[in-house]
Amino acid sequence: EVQLVESGGGLVHPGGSLRLSCAAFGFKFRSYEMNWVRQVPGKGLEWLSYISGSGGTTDYADSVKGRFTISRDNAKNSLYLQMSSLRAEDTAIYYCARDDGAASYYFDYWGQGTPVTVSS
Amino acid sequence: DVQLTQSPSTLSASVGDRVTITCRASESISTWLAWYQQKPGKAPNLLIYKASSLQSGVPSRFSGSGSGTEFTLTISSLQPDDFATYYCQQYSDFSRTFGQGTKLEIK
Repeated sequence: EVQLVESGGGLVHPGGSLRLSCAAFGFKFRSYEMNWVRQVPGKGLEWLSYISGSGGTTDYADSVKGRFTISRDNAKNSLYLQMSSLRAEDTAIYYCARDDGAASYYFDYWGQGTPVTVSS
Repeated sequence: DVQLTQSPSTLSASVGDRVTITCRASESISTWLAWYQQKPGKAPNLLIYKASSLQSGVPSRFSGSGSGTEFTLTISSLQPDDFATYYCQQYSDFSRTFGQGTKLEIK
């Protein structure tokens, strides 16, 4: 059974940093492109970042480019999102999501989400 | 970036009704469109991809259609489990944008 489990969310001050993790189970992790998507509570979904199966290609939404870094460790079946220079508007639920096959760019499995609150 | 506009924002319907949700793109996206269902406190769940392809395990009462700039998600006969929020998502360009959502409520 495919499972994605996020962790690492919490309360952080404006300007601070946080690292989110996503552990993958039940599929050949290195064969799938992965993403981070966030959702402000009660609001819509925003795609943030993409990483290829090898980790060699990444992409970011303009809203987080230069502040967030996506990475993966295929030996540990894990995806990461390093977030820095955090702002109040980054407060959201953060989901990891799997691309449905090579270069599909839509998301067939999602984690349960981890909440991030940026506040002083 | 491609912008997606869903209508209506809220839809009230009854069990057994046929309902349609529309998603309009700011420019042509061919059939590079997916639909998701999200229930409160849960992650989104993929229903439809490539505008009309039903994801494995999704009930056949869900269907998608459209191409270019106008797309629809139809539920042929609403079941109690279908009351949720629905999102479209385009993947024609790398912005991978979502619509703002349509909340389907019980009438």
